[in-house]
Amino acid sequence: DIQMTQSPSSVSASVGDRVTITCQASQGITTWLAWYQQKPGKAPKLLIYAASSLQSGVPARFSGSGSGTDFTLTISSLQPEDFATYYCQQANSFPLTFGGGTTVEIK
Amino acid sequence: EVQLVESGGGLVQPGGSLRLSCAASGLTVRSNFMSWVRQAPGKGLEWVSLIYSGGSTFYADSVKGRFTISRDNSKNTVYLQMNSLRAEDTAVYYCARDQRDYGGNLFDYWGQGTLVTVSS
Repeated sequence: DIQMTQSPSSVSASVGDRVTITCQASQGITTWLAWYQQKPGKAPKLLIYAASSLQSGVPARFSGSGSGTDFTLTISSLQPEDFATYYCQQANSFPLTFGGGTTVEIK
Repeated sequence: EVQLVESGGGLVQPGGSLRLSCAASGLTVRSNFMSWVRQAPGKGLEWVSLIYSGGSTFYADSVKGRFTISRDNSKNTVYLQMNSLRAEDTAVYYCARDQRDYGGNLFDYWGQGTLVTVSS
């Protein structure tokens, strides 16, 4: 199974800050990686697919990069609605696996 | 507009069974790849099962042999039959559409989830 390791597990930030979340795969997955945002009590929402492609309707302040085993999600200027938990997911092979999540909290 | 509506969750005793349903609108389940993803209380996301448009099925090791994914094309509904339930199966279960066209297996539409609690 491919293990997905996210860091940090939580981050405190202020509105307007730049936030970076990393995700490392235990083996190479080329660019078969997705990022999701989840707010309490809600279903996850797809933000990024194929490591760097922005899902329709997602603000351009979200961006993704990386390939192989190392990936990054960046929020360029944090907005109040961005406080949430973020998950990466490898889309390369079964079983599909998610990272442990990164909670972005208000500083 | 795509909508996925899960139902069938509830409280069940260890060893019991439950069948979850995911009624779809705005998409045709027989033409799509559909998955179940679960989330234990306060925990992260765990993929559970997937059914391809051609009917092939895949399962996480943690549920293999106990859970069965299926669909009813006439009802445009996907099911998850869960047998031999354990306390560790307690979770919110989400139905999701697998957007294979994006590259790999990932999920662009999700239902609101249904809670399954396994407890005596």
